[in-house]
Amino acid sequence: EDQVTQSPEALRLQEGESSSLNCSYTVSGLRGLFWYRQDPGKGPEFLFTLYSAGEEKEKERLKATLTKKESFLHITAPKPEDSATYLCAVQGGSEKLVFGKGTKLTVNP
Amino acid sequence: DAGVTQSPTHLIKTRGQQVTLRCSPKSGHDTVSWYQQALGQGPQFIFQYYEEEERQRGNFPDRFSGHQFPNYSSELNVNALLLGDSALYLCASMGSTKNIQYFGAGTRLSVL
Repeated sequence: EDQVTQSPEALRLQEGESSSLNCSYTVSGLRGLFWYRQDPGKGPEFLFTLYSAGEEKEKERLKATLTKKESFLHITAPKPEDSATYLCAVQGGSEKLVFGKGTKLTVNP
Repeated sequence: DAGVTQSPTHLIKTRGQQVTLRCSPKSGHDTVSWYQQALGQGPQFIFQYYEEEERQRGNFPDRFSGHQFPNYSSELNVNALLLGDSALYLCASMGSTKNIQYFGAGTRLSVL
């Protein structure tokens, strides 16, 4: 069964303090690993898709990387508007996405 | 270009009642998936519809059923509501050229 574990559950940073979120996964035949951002009371917003180990994607202050067992979401010099829950999901042999519980990020000014 | 739209935004029901949630996919998308997100948890896959057929189903009881219409919009029906069905219900759509699911804002269902 496909599984995703995200850590830490919650992370509190000062503005400008860089850090990383972790997503460990087990999946039969990875078709894609996805990162989403979710604000309170809203649906997940797509950020990145990674397909193979060694791949990296960047968007503004965010950078996602992928190995055969885990993915990292690096946040460089975060701002308060980066505060949200970040969700990681994998897609294996089927069409469904299997999500982790998310990491709740708070960036204080 | 409108994204994925869901209605209603909020819904309050009592145990034993039935509910229907609606979803319009992003323009150009033909595949719709439904997810249930309990408070503090990640979304859980309910089922996916493509060409008006249920293509795949997650680990949810038969009380959860769905439908897809010729215009690709979709409905999620839940019968005999339980307190544990209280959650945010998310609809996601996907096109045939890119394997990326885009989510709506969800319907918050409260069962009393």
